[in-house]
Amino acid sequence: DAKTTQPTSMDCAEGRAANLPCNHSTISGNEYVYWYRQIHSQGPQYIIHGLKNNETNEMASLIITEDRKSSTLILPHATLRDTAVYYCIVRVAVSSASKIIFGSGTRLSIRP
Amino acid sequence: DAGVIQSPRHEVTEMGQEVTLRCKPISGHDYLFWYRQTMMRGLELLIYFNNNVPIDDSGMPEDRFSAKMPNASFSTLKIQPSEPRDSAVYFCASSRRTSSYEQYFGPGTRLTVT
Repeated sequence: DAKTTQPTSMDCAEGRAANLPCNHSTISGNEYVYWYRQIHSQGPQYIIHGLKNNETNEMASLIITEDRKSSTLILPHATLRDTAVYYCIVRVAVSSASKIIFGSGTRLSIRP
Repeated sequence: DAGVIQSPRHEVTEMGQEVTLRCKPISGHDYLFWYRQTMMRGLELLIYFNNNVPIDDSGMPEDRFSAKMPNASFSTLKIQPSEPRDSAVYFCASSRRTSSYEQYFGPGTRLTVT
């Protein structure tokens, strides 16, 4: 699986959009970009994933560059409850290789 | 939907004792995963099962660790004998084959070995 690089920490004002970057310059054509987050003392939670098109769901939006070497997770209106560690993961989405390798992630702090 | 259930939530034991962690995956999920999280090493995959069969146990740190899945609704992770360096939060997760990208994690078991 391709390696990802994320900033160690970020902060954002409550109510503003939080934009979390991720570099994955060695991504292969069949690898997807996934985002999970982990709120303190809880298990990780799936947020969103994508291959090459931008994706949006009720939690966030995922913007993937045309060359697929980087992506950005966008939380449109951050709240205090969005304070968490956010993990960007790249992996092939086939059932025989379903394991997820978590890196160190980005610690996002939302300030009031 | 009760989600992934883990027990106990907290476990404190003495070095050398046997420890058994338990997990009940979400009904209908084909995959079950065991992870360990520490400050030093982050979140590590230990082992995962597909349809109750262990597929990849390359993350199991040593022979003191063993995991079983006797049926689709139950799995155990056993440490025997336990050591202080095994202190960590152990997470169980499950997913469906048709949506293996989305793993559902349990609340974790915080293990302290003194």
